[in-house]
Amino acid sequence: NAGVTQTPKFQVLKTGQSMTLQCAQDMNHEYMSWYRQDPGMGLRLIHYSVGAGITDQGEVPNGYNVSRSTTEDFPLRLLSAAPSQTSVYFCASSYSDRGTEAFFGQGTRLTVV
Amino acid sequence: DQQVKQNSPSLSVQEGRISILNCDYTNSMFDYFLWYKKYPAEGPTFLISISSIKDKNEDGRFTVFLNKSAKHLSLHIVPSQPGDSAVYFCAASPMKLFGNEKLTFGTGTRLTIIP
Repeated sequence: NAGVTQTPKFQVLKTGQSMTLQCAQDMNHEYMSWYRQDPGMGLRLIHYSVGAGITDQGEVPNGYNVSRSTTEDFPLRLLSAAPSQTSVYFCASSYSDRGTEAFFGQGTRLTVV
Repeated sequence: DQQVKQNSPSLSVQEGRISILNCDYTNSMFDYFLWYKKYPAEGPTFLISISSIKDKNEDGRFTVFLNKSAKHLSLHIVPSQPGDSAVYFCAASPMKLFGNEKLTFGTGTRLTIIP
């Protein structure tokens, strides 16, 4: 009964370090997305994917890379962390059916110092 | 430019009464709308949705109303229960998509149910 699993749950990085936030889903969903949540801003779309090998940019893609080599996994890479990337990150997955919901992971709280 | 707006950051309602959460949008390309509920330290969970071909959708205690001409939707919770205390996000999806991979969220409304 896993759904969408994000690791790690918490992370502290120094400015300039790189890291990968992991996201895996076991529901065989075609679509996956990454959002960040900041105070007073709601959730904003970073990158999304409509299938293995296909990714595209969302509203706030700068400083982040993604890849989708399998249906299950959609990692988010921070190339050179900056304090502005301090946020809570959520991964979501859904079917290619607008009548169905997007399922979210529990989030990764990232602090860049 | 906030395309989905929730102008009330917080709302307090007595247990058993009706909670009404509001959401406005500016982008005419949105044609599918969702409400998510979020508890602290958890991811958002889906509550209810509505397509632009409808003006009302009901699921148990939750009803969403859509007024396309006003670009306004609202979520009604009746009766409100203590477990409804959470942050509620309104989200919108643009037309011509097959899924909900590109949601635009509002800033959220923190609902507190007073016992």
